[in-house]
Amino acid sequence: GQNIDQPTEMTATEGAIVQINCTYQTSGFNGLFWYQQHAGEAPTFLSYNVLDGLEEKGRFSSFLSRSKGYSYLLLKELQMKDSASYLCAVRDSNYQLIWGAGTKLIIKP
Amino acid sequence: IAGITQAPTSQILAAGRRMTLRCTQDMRHNAMYWYRQDLGLGLRLIHYSNTAGTTGKGEVPDGYSVSRANTDDFPLTLASAVPSQTSVYFCASSDSGGRGYNEQFFGPGTRLTVL
Repeated sequence: GQNIDQPTEMTATEGAIVQINCTYQTSGFNGLFWYQQHAGEAPTFLSYNVLDGLEEKGRFSSFLSRSKGYSYLLLKELQMKDSASYLCAVRDSNYQLIWGAGTKLIIKP
Repeated sequence: IAGITQAPTSQILAAGRRMTLRCTQDMRHNAMYWYRQDLGLGLRLIHYSNTAGTTGKGEVPDGYSVSRANTDDFPLTLASAVPSQTSVYFCASSDSGGRGYNEQFFGPGTRLTVL
């Protein structure tokens, strides 16, 4: 079966750094996405990895290791507005997205 | 219209009733998707369409049907609603059938309660 695992909830302090991990087992791999979803809102795209390594985009970075079936999202200089759920999704061999349940990130002052 | 719109925003429905959730995009994207999101679970694909005139079944298609008569619209119909269909429904679209970099863009969602 196909499976995406992420921690259910994490807590971090404003101004700090947090790493959200995602491990996956899917039928095929055609890229990994991270989305942000604020409570009561739609998911919005954050990052995409298809090759191994780190992709940096401002305060957010995403890492991929295909051999380990592992990715992480790194958020730096945390702000209160970063309180949200972070969704990991893998595009499988049918080019459909398989989604993790999401990690709820709580930022404390 | 800018992006993707969904209607209604929320709905309370009696079990056994028929309901159509509407989705319209103005980005001329080829591919469109319907997901449901339930607490503690990831987004689950109900149906998708890679291009106008074609549709396909996702992970949880039972009890739902879709049509894609044109590029912009992708309605989702519940023929006879049941309480287990209580969920938040998201419509999404992407370019070129979701291949390559093309991320999915999401509508604001429809919160459906079936009693």
